[in-house]
Amino acid sequence: DQQVKQNSPSLSVQEGRISILNCDYTNSMFDYFLWYKKYPAEGPTFLISISSIKDKNEDGRFTVFLNKSAKHLSLHIVPSQPGDSAVYFCAASFTGGGNKLTFGTGTQLKVEL
Amino acid sequence: GAGVSQSPRYKVAKRGQDVALRCDPISGHVSLFWYQQALGQGPEFLTYFQNEAQLDKSGLPSDRFFAERPEGSVSTLKIQRTQQEDSAVYLCASSLVSGGSAQYFGPGTRLLVL
Repeated sequence: DQQVKQNSPSLSVQEGRISILNCDYTNSMFDYFLWYKKYPAEGPTFLISISSIKDKNEDGRFTVFLNKSAKHLSLHIVPSQPGDSAVYFCAASFTGGGNKLTFGTGTQLKVEL
Repeated sequence: GAGVSQSPRYKVAKRGQDVALRCDPISGHVSLFWYQQALGQGPEFLTYFQNEAQLDKSGLPSDRFFAERPEGSVSTLKIQRTQQEDSAVYLCASSLVSGGSAQYFGPGTRLLVL
């Protein structure tokens, strides 16, 4: 079963606008969440993370929101830039779970000029 | 500083061959992870080391897969008697501590088994 789900395989946004990428999870034991960006033929690059004790974390243009009751998190990118075009993966782990990450299937973001 | 490095970047193997994939983690990182990524999917956990101890190998798909990290730094993932279904990108990641910290990934090794 897919414990971390990214239901939108792709998203297209205009440059300068906000990009919102969504992620849902089913395992209530998850207590640490991360977003990664991946370009073709490269490994995933860490973007931002959030612990379950918080509901928001911000780093420059990137903000992650966590709604524990809905088991939902989102990544906001403001303003979107053409260099943000990549595949974005949501990942989760839990204390006692060996810190292994469970990934979603990714969302392809395209930022158009 | 230097990031996680992996070698080779690409590997073509004939079915039945053994392969060895190498990972050099970020210096000082305690934890090291191996993931397998199939086309169009997210990475899937294979195994995890804390220093030289392999604490979790629950994701290894069969006993043909073996990983080691003998001195707590460089790690090798070995696949014996490769099969076509082993074709994937193998990603290595390291993290500074064992829990609640970000993992930093290498570029991956793309394995193609013919």
